Amino acid sequence: QKEVEQDPGPLSVPEGAIVSLNCTYSNSAFQYFMWYRQYSRKGPELLMYTYSSGNKEDGRFTAQVDKSSKYISLFIRDSQPSDSATYLCAIRTGFQKLVFGTGTRLLVSP
Amino acid sequence: DGGITQSPKYLFRKEGQNVTLSCEQNLNHDAMYWYRQDPGQGLRLIYYSQIVNDFQKGDIAEGYSVSREKKESFPLTVTSAQKNPTAFYLCASIVQGGSNQPQHFGDGTRLSIL
Repeated sequence: QKEVEQDPGPLSVPEGAIVSLNCTYSNSAFQYFMWYRQYSRKGPELLMYTYSSGNKEDGRFTAQVDKSSKYISLFIRDSQPSDSATYLCAIRTGFQKLVFGTGTRLLVSP
Repeated sequence: DGGITQSPKYLFRKEGQNVTLSCEQNLNHDAMYWYRQDPGQGLRLIYYSQIVNDFQKGDIAEGYSVSREKKESFPLTVTSAQKNPTAFYLCASIVQGGSNQPQHFGDGTRLSIL
């Protein structure tokens, strides 16, 4: 079983839709969770970083962690064409070690 | 502006050739990392360095080498022993190795075989 699983997509939505992106993980000891956005031919850009269970909001983005289900989500409200990118979840699994999901490609059409 | 600069953006390697990818940061970060990104596989850790003159192997270090002679710089050499080098290479840094702060990335180098 992979440490982190993420649906590769692509996920296609119309502009203005609410987007839900998800990852599952295998080890309940994992504590630090991140979401990165990656545009084509660019490096990943940090969007959200959270430690505890529950929700963390930043503008149109909400990160949600459910440690009991080992499930993390990123919600994007009022999605825009500029949100079209690949979204990577990342989890700190130990000292110096991040494990990344494979990324979900999101397409927001005008 | 502070950031991580990777160069070149595109690099081509001939058979039997070693090539070096540059990574420079002006964030005053202690720890630096190299990842490889392949389609459908996410990012995989090649090497990391917590301090100058020290570095550790990651999950896929075979065929790669690094050095850390200066805090700002962490070059990666892809040697001829790496038989499948075509990938997108990403450098990252963090303010202090082992801290729970997230990593920040450069814009990558795409390496291809001629």
